[in-house]
Amino acid sequence: QVQLVQSGAEVKKPGASVKVSCKASGYTFNSYGITWVRQAPGQGLEWMGWISAYNGNTNYAQKFQDRVTMTTDTSTSTAYMELRSLRSDDTAVYYCARTYYGAFDIWGQGTMVTVSS
Amino acid sequence: EIVMTQSPATLSVSPGERATLSCRASQSVSSSLAWYQQKPGQAPRLLIYGASTRATGIPARFSGSGSGTEFTLTISSLQSEDFAVYYCQQYNNWPPWTFGQGTKVEIK
Repeated sequence: QVQLVQSGAEVKKPGASVKVSCKASGYTFNSYGITWVRQAPGQGLEWMGWISAYNGNTNYAQKFQDRVTMTTDTSTSTAYMELRSLRSDDTAVYYCARTYYGAFDIWGQGTMVTVSS
Repeated sequence: EIVMTQSPATLSVSPGERATLSCRASQSVSSSLAWYQQKPGQAPRLLIYGASTRATGIPARFSGSGSGTEFTLTISSLQSEDFAVYYCQQYNNWPPWTFGQGTKVEIK
Protein backbone atom coordinates (compact mmCIF):
# COMPACT_ATOMS: atom_id res chain seq x y z
CA GLN A 1 0.00 0.00 0.00
CA VAL A 2 1.00 3.61 -0.43
CA GLN A 3 2.79 4.84 2.66
CA LEU A 4 5.39 7.18 4.05
CA VAL A 5 7.44 5.96 7.00
CA GLN A 6 9.41 8.51 8.98
CA SER A 7 12.44 8.16 11.21
CA GLY A 8 12.17 8.01 14.97
CA ALA A 9 11.95 10.65 17.66
CA GLU A 10 14.91 12.94 18.27
CA VAL A 11 16.13 14.96 21.23
CA LYS A 12 18.51 17.78 20.42
CA LYS A 13 20.23 20.61 22.23
CA PRO A 14 19.71 24.23 21.22
CA GLY A 15 21.95 25.16 18.32
CA ALA A 16 22.16 21.60 16.99
CA SER A 17 20.75 20.23 13.74
CA VAL A 18 18.25 17.46 13.06
CA LYS A 19 17.68 15.44 9.91
CA VAL A 20 14.37 13.61 9.54
CA SER A 21 13.83 10.96 6.89
CA CYS A 22 10.65 9.94 5.10
CA LYS A 23 10.71 6.68 3.13
CA ALA A 24 8.06 6.21 0.47
CA SER A 25 6.65 2.93 -0.80
CA GLY A 26 3.77 1.72 -2.93
CA TYR A 27 3.97 4.41 -5.60
CA THR A 28 6.37 5.94 -8.13
CA PHE A 29 8.41 8.22 -5.91
CA ASN A 30 9.50 10.73 -8.54
CA SER A 31 5.95 11.33 -9.78
CA TYR A 32 5.01 13.41 -6.76
CA GLY A 33 6.40 16.10 -4.52
CA ILE A 34 6.95 15.88 -0.78
CA THR A 35 5.86 18.58 1.62
CA TRP A 36 7.05 19.01 5.19
CA VAL A 37 4.63 20.29 7.83
CA ARG A 38 5.21 20.73 11.52
CA GLN A 39 2.93 20.93 14.54
CA ALA A 40 4.04 22.34 17.86
CA PRO A 41 2.43 20.81 20.97
CA GLY A 42 -1.24 21.76 21.14
CA GLN A 43 -0.95 23.97 18.06
CA GLY A 44 -2.03 23.94 14.44
CA LEU A 45 -0.28 22.88 11.26
CA GLU A 46 2.59 24.91 9.79
CA TRP A 47 3.85 24.44 6.22
CA MET A 48 7.64 24.38 6.03
CA GLY A 49 8.33 23.70 2.39
CA TRP A 50 8.10 21.38 -0.60
CA ILE A 51 10.50 19.42 -2.76
CA SER A 52 9.96 17.86 -6.14
CA ALA A 53 11.02 14.24 -6.12
CA TYR A 54 11.32 14.49 -9.90
CA ASN A 55 14.04 17.15 -10.16
CA GLY A 56 14.85 18.27 -6.60
CA ASN A 57 13.37 21.75 -6.98
CA THR A 58 12.43 23.24 -3.63
CA ASN A 59 10.19 25.96 -2.28
CA TYR A 60 10.61 26.92 1.37
CA ALA A 61 8.55 29.07 3.70
CA GLN A 62 10.40 32.32 4.26
CA LYS A 63 10.39 31.66 8.00
CA PHE A 64 12.67 28.63 7.50
CA GLN A 65 14.57 29.74 4.40
CA ASP A 66 17.90 30.20 6.18
CA ARG A 67 17.75 27.08 8.36
CA VAL A 68 16.13 24.27 6.36
CA THR A 69 17.32 22.00 3.58
CA MET A 70 15.06 19.44 1.89
CA THR A 71 16.53 16.71 -0.27
CA THR A 72 15.53 13.44 -1.87
CA ASP A 73 17.31 10.21 -2.73
CA THR A 74 15.46 8.62 -5.61
CA SER A 75 17.54 5.42 -5.35
CA THR A 76 15.92 4.69 -1.98
CA SER A 77 12.66 6.66 -2.45
CA THR A 78 13.49 8.71 0.61
CA ALA A 79 13.01 12.38 1.37
CA TYR A 80 14.96 14.25 4.02
CA MET A 81 14.41 17.46 5.95
CA GLU A 82 17.31 19.02 7.83
CA LEU A 83 16.69 21.89 10.23
CA ARG A 84 19.71 23.72 11.67
CA SER A 85 20.31 26.08 14.59
CA LEU A 86 17.52 24.49 16.59
CA ARG A 87 15.69 26.51 19.22
CA SER A 88 13.26 25.46 21.91
CA ASP A 89 10.34 26.68 19.80
CA ASP A 90 11.30 24.14 17.11
CA THR A 91 9.98 21.44 19.43
CA ALA A 92 7.22 19.87 17.37
CA VAL A 93 6.01 16.86 15.46
CA TYR A 94 7.37 16.99 11.91
CA TYR A 95 5.34 15.37 9.14
CA CYS A 96 6.14 14.57 5.56
CA ALA A 97 3.27 14.34 3.10
CA ARG A 98 2.93 13.28 -0.51
CA THR A 99 1.82 16.27 -2.48
CA TYR A 100 -0.65 16.12 -5.34
CA TYR A 101 -1.22 19.50 -6.99
CA GLY A 102 -0.79 21.21 -3.63
CA ALA A 103 -2.97 18.90 -1.56
CA PHE A 104 -1.35 16.43 0.84
CA ASP A 105 -2.91 13.05 0.21
CA ILE A 106 -0.61 10.66 2.08
CA TRP A 107 1.07 11.55 5.38
CA GLY A 108 3.88 10.02 7.34
CA GLN A 109 3.28 9.06 10.94
CA GLY A 110 5.19 12.06 12.24
CA THR A 111 8.54 12.49 13.98
CA MET A 112 8.73 14.17 17.38
CA VAL A 113 11.69 16.52 17.67
CA THR A 114 12.39 17.86 21.14
CA VAL A 115 14.84 20.71 21.60
CA SER A 116 16.01 21.04 25.18
CA SER A 117 19.17 21.84 27.03
CA GLU B 1 0.88 35.47 2.46
CA ILE B 2 -2.74 34.31 2.28
CA VAL B 3 -4.34 34.09 5.72
CA MET B 4 -6.92 31.37 6.23
CA THR B 5 -9.50 31.95 8.97
CA GLN B 6 -11.71 29.14 10.23
CA SER B 7 -14.89 29.47 12.25
CA PRO B 8 -16.01 28.57 14.74
CA ALA B 9 -12.98 27.56 16.80
CA THR B 10 -15.07 24.87 18.51
CA LEU B 11 -18.32 23.32 17.33
CA SER B 12 -20.43 21.26 19.74
CA VAL B 13 -22.65 18.82 17.88
CA SER B 14 -24.72 15.79 18.84
CA PRO B 15 -24.16 12.50 17.01
CA GLY B 16 -26.41 12.29 13.97
CA GLU B 17 -26.64 16.05 13.56
CA ARG B 18 -25.20 18.13 10.73
CA ALA B 19 -21.98 20.07 11.21
CA THR B 20 -21.05 23.08 9.10
CA LEU B 21 -17.49 24.42 9.23
CA SER B 22 -16.35 27.63 7.55
CA CYS B 23 -13.05 28.74 6.09
CA ARG B 24 -12.31 32.19 4.71
CA ALA B 25 -9.27 33.25 2.69
CA SER B 26 -7.78 36.75 2.86
CA GLN B 27 -7.72 36.81 -0.96
CA SER B 28 -9.09 34.57 -3.66
CA VAL B 29 -7.66 31.05 -3.81
CA SER B 30 -9.98 29.97 -6.65
CA SER B 31 -10.86 26.34 -5.90
CA SER B 32 -7.42 25.43 -4.60
CA LEU B 33 -8.66 24.48 -1.16
CA ALA B 34 -8.28 21.28 0.84
CA TRP B 35 -9.77 20.03 4.09
CA TYR B 36 -8.08 17.70 6.55
CA GLN B 37 -9.22 15.79 9.61
CA GLN B 38 -6.88 15.19 12.53
CA LYS B 39 -7.53 13.00 15.55
CA PRO B 40 -5.40 13.15 18.71
CA GLY B 41 -2.02 11.51 18.25
CA GLN B 42 -2.56 10.93 14.54
CA ALA B 43 -1.39 12.53 11.34
CA PRO B 44 -3.90 14.61 9.41
CA ARG B 45 -6.00 12.89 6.76
CA LEU B 46 -7.03 14.48 3.48
CA LEU B 47 -10.82 14.72 3.16
CA ILE B 48 -11.48 17.16 0.33
CA TYR B 49 -9.37 18.78 -2.40
CA GLY B 50 -10.27 21.18 -5.17
CA ALA B 51 -12.79 22.64 -2.69
CA SER B 52 -15.36 19.91 -3.37
CA THR B 53 -13.75 16.62 -4.48
CA ARG B 54 -13.69 13.87 -1.87
CA ALA B 55 -10.39 12.09 -1.47
CA THR B 56 -10.16 8.33 -1.94
CA GLY B 57 -12.11 6.41 0.68
CA ILE B 58 -13.81 9.43 2.25
CA PRO B 59 -17.47 8.80 3.12
CA ALA B 60 -20.17 10.66 1.24
CA ARG B 61 -21.35 12.38 4.43
CA PHE B 62 -18.37 14.74 3.99
CA SER B 63 -18.91 17.45 1.40
CA GLY B 64 -17.09 20.63 0.50
CA SER B 65 -18.29 23.73 -1.28
CA GLY B 66 -17.24 27.27 -2.15
CA SER B 67 -14.74 29.12 -4.28
CA GLY B 68 -12.80 32.34 -4.17
CA THR B 69 -12.63 33.33 -0.52
CA GLU B 70 -15.48 31.47 1.19
CA PHE B 71 -15.56 27.72 1.76
CA THR B 72 -17.63 25.26 3.74
CA LEU B 73 -17.12 21.70 4.94
CA THR B 74 -20.35 19.93 5.80
CA ILE B 75 -20.65 16.66 7.67
CA SER B 76 -24.22 15.59 7.03
CA SER B 77 -24.74 13.23 9.98
CA LEU B 78 -21.98 13.13 12.55
CA GLN B 79 -20.65 9.74 13.52
CA SER B 80 -18.63 9.07 16.66
CA GLU B 81 -15.44 8.77 14.60
CA ASP B 82 -15.92 12.27 13.15
CA PHE B 83 -15.16 14.11 16.38
CA ALA B 84 -11.77 15.63 15.60
CA VAL B 85 -10.03 18.83 14.53
CA TYR B 86 -10.53 19.99 10.95
CA TYR B 87 -8.14 22.21 9.01
CA CYS B 88 -8.53 24.00 5.71
CA GLN B 89 -5.49 24.69 3.52
CA GLN B 90 -5.00 26.82 0.41
CA TYR B 91 -2.62 25.84 -2.37
CA ASN B 92 -3.36 28.55 -4.90
CA ASN B 93 -0.47 30.85 -3.92
CA TRP B 94 2.92 29.92 -2.58
CA PRO B 95 5.13 30.17 -0.75
CA PRO B 96 3.72 29.54 1.65
CA TRP B 97 0.80 27.20 1.31
CA THR B 98 -1.21 28.08 4.40
CA PHE B 99 -3.52 26.38 6.85
CA GLY B 100 -6.38 27.70 8.90
CA GLN B 101 -6.06 27.48 12.66
CA GLY B 102 -8.49 24.58 12.88
CA THR B 103 -12.03 23.87 14.08
CA LYS B 104 -12.52 21.34 16.83
CA VAL B 105 -15.73 19.33 16.51
CA GLU B 106 -16.72 18.01 19.91
CA ILE B 107 -19.56 15.97 21.28
CA LYS B 108 -22.44 18.04 22.62
